[in-house]
Amino acid sequence: IAGITQAPTSQILAAGRRMTLRCTQDMRHNAMYWYRQDLGLGLRLIHYSNTAGTTGKGEVPDGYSVSRANTDDFPLTLASAVPSQTSVYFCASSDSVAPDTQYFGPGTRLTVL
Amino acid sequence: AQSVTQPDIHITVSEGASLELRCNYSYGATPYLFWYVQSPGQGLQLLLKYFSGDTLVQGIKGFEAEFKRSQSSFNLRKPSVHWSDAAEYFCAVGGVYSGGGADGLTFGKGTHLIIQP
Repeated sequence: IAGITQAPTSQILAAGRRMTLRCTQDMRHNAMYWYRQDLGLGLRLIHYSNTAGTTGKGEVPDGYSVSRANTDDFPLTLASAVPSQTSVYFCASSDSVAPDTQYFGPGTRLTVL
Repeated sequence: AQSVTQPDIHITVSEGASLELRCNYSYGATPYLFWYVQSPGQGLQLLLKYFSGDTLVQGIKGFEAEFKRSQSSFNLRKPSVHWSDAAEYFCAVGGVYSGGGADGLTFGKGTHLIIQP
């Protein structure tokens, strides 16, 4: 069982470029999440999805968009990257939308120059 | 809005000594509390969680945590640490984000645990 996979593992991106971070889970979990992790700030929620076809904004949604076309995939798009979006991005999933154990992917390290 | 405070940014403990990592939360309803561990360059792994019932919860790797409602705390403990416990530890509380209906987690900023030989 792979759990959650994220791609790419790392990426260096020029400011202004568009970038999509991929996230796929094979646990058939209903809910999925995107967090960013910055030194000294812990993890902050960017966007979430209760179930396929629905998405919502978290604590720091500006500059990011998501889609949930099916249960397994939850891509995160940066339409026009800026240096402040340099971070490590984690995708997570949980079986229900109630506060429940979230399972995390290995992360994507993104550097915007 | 919910929040989590981990007052210790770094903690250094000798191998074999006991450990306590502090976590205080602010949440308007019954909290759902979690401790996660992150090894360098890795994702987060759940150590333990509290939803209801017994306020002392046992987790993996010999960790335990005690929920104290009166103190709004959920401190993590281990009686004897091993060098492999060196990692970043995050406390988190389940909540509902304004305007939404789903429950993401609010994380503390983390405590970096260093193990001295």
